[in-house]
Amino acid sequence: SQELEQSPQSLIVQEGKNLTINCTSSKTLYGLYWYKQKYGEGLIFLMMLQKGGEEKSHEKITAKLDEKKQQSSLHITASQPSHAGIYLCGAVALTGTASKLTFGTGTRLQVTL
Amino acid sequence: GAVVSQHPSRVICKSGTSVKIECRSLDFQATTMFWYRQFPKKSLMLMATSNEGSKATYEQGVEKDKFLINHASLTLSTLTVTSAHPEDSSFYICSARDPTKTADTQYFGPGTRLTVL
Repeated sequence: SQELEQSPQSLIVQEGKNLTINCTSSKTLYGLYWYKQKYGEGLIFLMMLQKGGEEKSHEKITAKLDEKKQQSSLHITASQPSHAGIYLCGAVALTGTASKLTFGTGTRLQVTL
Repeated sequence: GAVVSQHPSRVICKSGTSVKIECRSLDFQATTMFWYRQFPKKSLMLMATSNEGSKATYEQGVEKDKFLINHASLTLSTLTVTSAHPEDSSFYICSARDPTKTADTQYFGPGTRLTVL
């Protein structure tokens, strides 16, 4: 089965600082999702990457998928308190269960003033 | 974006009772819904895939008789935790796949926090 490891597990940054969260897969990724979760709430879709080398941005968040499609990074520029939460990467199984998502271990982000 | 609701958002029950959690897709028809469980400070674990009009597919280690799933319509899936015990206390989240969108697009509900006393 596919395993996703995220690093770091938790992160505390000062407002205005940049940060990067990594997601590493044990297998080649067919599709990689990034979600954000506020404590005790559902998941908010951020971005989805499929092609090797692909990079997408939304506001101050940029996600990349490496050429080998086994690692993705999420970069936040000039962090704000609203960025605080749990960031989860999710991978899609390649065949047979195309819609089945396996989630990473999660990264808890705190942004201090 | 698409909206998925869950009800109730929080439930507290006594040990031994059964609890039903509803997951609804509000503006699209979902042939497939998923149920996840999340422990404190942990990631989401897929419990089962709910298919409209057929039996749910359970992940390894998930008890079918403990967690009953019914997907009676294209907009509603229910998860019933039978004879709940304190170890069943958790955050349960559902997601629904919109068949008209990219095959792997899932929309998540806000979650239900279950506390079993």
